[in-house]
Formats: sequence, C-alpha cells, structure tokens
Amino acid sequence: DGGITQSPKYLFRKEGQNVTLSCEQNLNHDAMYWYRQDPGQGLRLIYYSQIVNDFQKGDIAEGYSVSREKKESFPLTVTSAQKNPTAFYLCASSRSGIGGTYNEQFFGPGTRLTVL
Amino acid sequence: GQQVMQIPQYQHVQEGEDFTTYCNSSTTLSNIQWYKQRPGGHPVFLIQLVKSGEVKKQKRLTFQFGEAKKNSSLHITATQTTDVGTYFCAGPAGTASKLTFGTGTRLQVTL
Repeated sequence: DGGITQSPKYLFRKEGQNVTLSCEQNLNHDAMYWYRQDPGQGLRLIYYSQIVNDFQKGDIAEGYSVSREKKESFPLTVTSAQKNPTAFYLCASSRSGIGGTYNEQFFGPGTRLTVL
Repeated sequence: GQQVMQIPQYQHVQEGEDFTTYCNSSTTLSNIQWYKQRPGGHPVFLIQLVKSGEVKKQKRLTFQFGEAKKNSSLHITATQTTDVGTYFCAGPAGTASKLTFGTGTRLQVTL
C-alpha cells in the first residue's frame, strides 16, 4: 500500500528530554512537511523540505529540528528548547510544485506527544 | 504574513440541514484547497479550485472560489452524520509547495 506512516501513534516523554518522531512515505514525493495541531486549532507549519538534503523553517520552527537524508524519510526532533511540546504532530508529503502548481498534500495518521 | 480565516469556527446542525463554511484570505490566491479532518483523524484532501469564480461539486458538497480569488466557500446540502469533522481551506504561501491552512470549521451533526 502507498502512503505515509508515522510512529509511534502516542508518545509520552518527561520534560527536558529530546524526542524524535518518525515519518516515512512510499509515494515517491519530493516534498515533505511537519505540522503541529493543538486542540481545536488549525495546522501550523514547523518545517518543510522540497528535496533531499534541503529543508526550510516554517512558521513555528523554534525548539524543533529535522533532517532529510533520504527521499522517503523526514524525522522531526522535538528538543527540550520547545517550551510547550504537548500537541498532535502531523507529517505530510506532496509532489513538488512545478511551474507554480500546488499539489495536494497527503497526511500521515499523526503522533500525539504528551510531555509530562 | 498571509492569514486565512474561516467562519464559523463551529456549527452544530441537525441531520438533513444544510451547512456552509467560508474561507477568507488576506491576499489573492492562485488556488485554494479544501481538506476534511474527522475527529481523531488526519486531514484528507477534498478538492482544489484554480479559476476565478470556479464552482465544483462532489455529490452533496459544493465548492466555490470567489471572483477576486480571496475567498472560498464549502456548502453541504442535507448533512449526514458522516459529514462530522473539521473542514479546512488552504492557500499557497509564497513559493514552493507550502500551504497556509485556515483556522477550520468544526461541524457537528446530530440526528
């Protein structure tokens, strides 16, 4: 099956610990994204990557880091510098926008992170 | 920066009633996308509108893109309990494939 997987579904961590969220896609998409969603809120972009070995900060990148060493993988690390990390984290991917076109984003099932 | 607002924030209807959510952007959009997120789930793409004044239908759902390409609407005719969820619009955010998502409208449908 083609799609995006995120693991784990639920994650609990102690305050002050770094944690890495996994995101894998087999859709052969060039672009990948990380969003944060708080209860009753919209989606806010943390980081995005248009191509392997390249990524850019989104609107709320502080306290987060990413890597894009492989086309199919885009892990997100929530560092201890993130002041309020408890949230629902969504990974997405899309084909690259060529010639100004914008393609639909496919989302993974998400990871609910709770920091105790 | 670009802002995309949706109204209402929440709507509760009885099954069979109609529902409309409105999306307004602070800037002109080259296109707009709509997504649905079921409770506890992840957003799923519904449709993309590109042309000024464009209207597209998917069964009971009607999507419209404003003439000035700064607003859009989603109308659901005769809601069903399966329509429950949050509906987001999203517009391009500068270059690349970035999107700015709207604030979302949560729809609750009861029998």
